[in-house]
Amino acid sequence: AIRMTQSPSSLSASTGDRVTITCRASQAIGFYLAWYQQKPGKAPKFLIYAASTLQSGVPSRFSGSGSGTDFTLTISCLQSEDFATYYCQQYYSYPLTFGGGTKVELK
Amino acid sequence: EVQLVDSGGGLVQPGRSLRLSCAASGFTFDEYAMHWVRQAPGKGLEWVSGINWNSGSTSYADSVKGRFVISRDNAKNSLYLQMNSLRLEDTAFYYCAKDRVPMRPAADATAFDYWGQGTLVTVSS
Repeated sequence: AIRMTQSPSSLSASTGDRVTITCRASQAIGFYLAWYQQKPGKAPKFLIYAASTLQSGVPSRFSGSGSGTDFTLTISCLQSEDFATYYCQQYYSYPLTFGGGTKVELK
Repeated sequence: EVQLVDSGGGLVQPGRSLRLSCAASGFTFDEYAMHWVRQAPGKGLEWVSGINWNSGSTSYADSVKGRFVISRDNAKNSLYLQMNSLRLEDTAFYYCAKDRVPMRPAADATAFDYWGQGTLVTVSS
């Protein structure tokens, strides 16, 4: 199975900050990478697919980049509603696998 | 509006069975592969199983292979997960999730654009 490793596991930031989360795959996955946002007690929300394509309705302050094994999710100007846990997921091959998550907390 | 409503969770003893359901609406159900993803309390996400649009292909995580069976009824716009021989480590919220792309070839993996609200399965004696 492809192992997905996210870093950091948590971070503290303030509203207005630029935040970057990294996701690394244990083998090359091309652009087959998605990002999700999850708030406590809620289902994950789909943000980005194909490493950098924003799902319809997702604010443009979110962006994704990368290919192969190294990927990033950037929030350009953190808003109060962005405090949540973020997960990457590879869909290059089965079994589908997720990163361990990055919790973005208020500083 | 796409809606996925998960149900069927509850408290069950180790070794027993449980059947989860997911009722879908707001999209053409029989055009999309569907999946189950679980999350142990306070932990990360784990893909469990998937089924393609016409039930011609299914896939399972190694952790549930041989114990869980995924199925769908396109006439009822419903997805199911039959969970047998339940273990303590199967305790989790179970979410159904929809494939982003319609009529995807069975072998292609996927990202999930819509998720159910989740149903909690607790395996305990």
